[in-house]
Amino acid sequence: DVKVTQSSRYLVKRTGEKVFLECVQDMDHENMFWYRQDPGLGLRLIYFSYDVKMKEKGDIPEGYSVSREKKERFSLILESASTNQTSMYLCASSPAATGEHEKLFFGSGTQLSVL
Amino acid sequence: GENVEQHPSTLSVQEGDSAVIKCTYSDSASNYFPWYKQELGKRPQLIIDIRSNVGEKKDQRIAVTLNKTAKHFSLHITETQPEDSAVYFCAAFSRGGNNRLAFGKGNQVVVIP
Repeated sequence: DVKVTQSSRYLVKRTGEKVFLECVQDMDHENMFWYRQDPGLGLRLIYFSYDVKMKEKGDIPEGYSVSREKKERFSLILESASTNQTSMYLCASSPAATGEHEKLFFGSGTQLSVL
Repeated sequence: GENVEQHPSTLSVQEGDSAVIKCTYSDSASNYFPWYKQELGKRPQLIIDIRSNVGEKKDQRIAVTLNKTAKHFSLHITETQPEDSAVYFCAAFSRGGNNRLAFGKGNQVVVIP
């Protein structure tokens, strides 16, 4: 069973702080994604990565960066947290295999509050 | 890029009745259409999907239908049960576009016992 683990379930930070959200998957998946989920807006893609050291911007990358130094770990970084980044953050992974790479496995999410 | 819309945004049904959620997509190159279910406080999970070479797919009480001409696909839940209460997200994957999933905004389904 695929396991995507996000390090924190709830996180409270102050405006201007640098915030790290960590995600680890245990199924050797090549692809990893970061989404944010807001009521009425659904799931919006922030960044994704198809391989170690690779990253691609999603639909809303502004104010975020990512790091993928190891295949199993994908980190989301808020360089200077702002109140409009208060949200639920979901990490996901998928294999690279044809016919499977579209199927995402999600983590349980990190509810981030920026005060 | 691909634009996916879901409606209705909220759906209430009596236990035992059927529920239907419809999604429309914009990119005719999209060829994969999954549905994810997210129960309260839990992660989204893939429950059923369909590819563009198939018109319908069933798995027990859930089914998905695809109309490529009209560019819409629907999730059908029969004999609804309280555990079907959740937010349901549809998505579309376009190989011709930016090669990733585009999600709809989600439907809240409430099954009334």
